[in-house]
Amino acid sequence: DQQVKQNSPSLSVQEGRISILNCDYTNSMFDYFLWYKKYPAEGPTFLISISSIKDKNEDGRFTVFLNKSAKHLSLHIVPSQPGDSAVYFCAALVSGNTPLVFGKGTRLSVIA
Amino acid sequence: EAGVAQSPRYKIIEKRQSVAFWCNPISGHATLYWYQQILGQGPKLLIQFQNNGVVDDSQLPKDRFSAERLKGVDSTLKIQPAKLEDSAVYLCASSDGKDSFQETQYFGPGTRLLVL
Repeated sequence: DQQVKQNSPSLSVQEGRISILNCDYTNSMFDYFLWYKKYPAEGPTFLISISSIKDKNEDGRFTVFLNKSAKHLSLHIVPSQPGDSAVYFCAALVSGNTPLVFGKGTRLSVIA
Repeated sequence: EAGVAQSPRYKIIEKRQSVAFWCNPISGHATLYWYQQILGQGPKLLIQFQNNGVVDDSQLPKDRFSAERLKGVDSTLKIQPAKLEDSAVYLCASSDGKDSFQETQYFGPGTRLLVL
């Protein structure tokens, strides 16, 4: 069963606009969430994380929102740039250094 | 600071052959992970080491996969014999292991394996 779900395989956004990538999870024990970005032929690169004690974390153009009651998180990129074009993975874990559980990823294309 | 290093980057073998992958984690990182990423899927953990001890290998197909981290630094992952369904990217990640509560894992570039 898929504990972390990214239901949109792909997303296209105009340069300068907001990109919103969504992620849902089913395991209520998850309490730490991460977003990774992956370019072709490279490993995933850590982007931003959020602990379940927060509902928002911001780092420059990237903001992650967490809605625990809905078991939903989203990554906002504002403004989107062509260099943001990549596959974005949502991942979650239960505190205690347990393995990351990844979604299947969403391919973001930012069009100039 | 150097990132996680992996080699080789690409490998093509025939089924039933053996293959080995190597990983050098970020200096000082105590925790090392091997993930398998099949095309169209997210990475899936195969094995987790804390220093040179195995923390979790519950998803490692032990009849054909083995991994070691003898001196608590570098690690090797071996597949013997390989099957067609082993075609995937094998990712190594590390974390510093100091905060057992919530740690960020840093990934290497991966080894892309194709089994023919």
